[in-house]
Amino acid sequence: SQTIHQWPATLVQPVGSPLSLECTVEGTSNPNLYWYRQAAGRGLQLLFYSVGIGQISSEVPQNLSASRPQDRQFILSSKKLLLSDSGFYLCACSTGELFFGEGSRLTVL
Amino acid sequence: AQSVTQLDSQVPVFEEAPVELRCNYSSSVSVYLFWYVQYPNQGLQLLLKYLSGSTLVKGINGFEAEFNKSQTSFHLRKPSVHISDTAEYFCAVSPSGGYNKLIFGAGTRLAVHP
Repeated sequence: SQTIHQWPATLVQPVGSPLSLECTVEGTSNPNLYWYRQAAGRGLQLLFYSVGIGQISSEVPQNLSASRPQDRQFILSSKKLLLSDSGFYLCACSTGELFFGEGSRLTVL
Repeated sequence: AQSVTQLDSQVPVFEEAPVELRCNYSSSVSVYLFWYVQYPNQGLQLLLKYLSGSTLVKGINGFEAEFNKSQTSFHLRKPSVHISDTAEYFCAVSPSGGYNKLIFGAGTRLAVHP
């Protein structure tokens, strides 16, 4: 079965600083990959999804971007963080069912 | 557009009592339905899913859910909860009938008290 690794697990960044969250998947190939954000006390919002290398679809306009340089690597980035970017970011993988990583908690101060 | 409504943001319950977490969805097409559980500072774990067939679906940890097409509901139930069931529970729908691009509800926080 697939395993999803996310890092860093926790991150505290100042407003205006860049961001890079990484997600790698093991145990499968050609997965669909997703980035979700969970804001405090709220549900999950789909940010990006990818069906293959270099193929990224954005679900909502925002300050973030995503890239998929390799089949099992999915990166979430920002050039300048905003306070509203704080949240719990979850990477997910689907080759059938949807599996989630352990998440990365971002606090922007 | 499809949406998922979890009617209760928080559900307090005593240990060994039964619990029902409510979920309603809106969709004009066939859907897949899911319940996920999230323990503090962790990712989401699949509890159960409805794809087709029997409307009563059994999942892990003693949970079950019933798909009701006429009421567009997929409520989660457990006859006797444990302290360890304290967590956030998310209902989700796949509007395309597949596993991609799930739409999640806002979540229900289940708090089990001794």
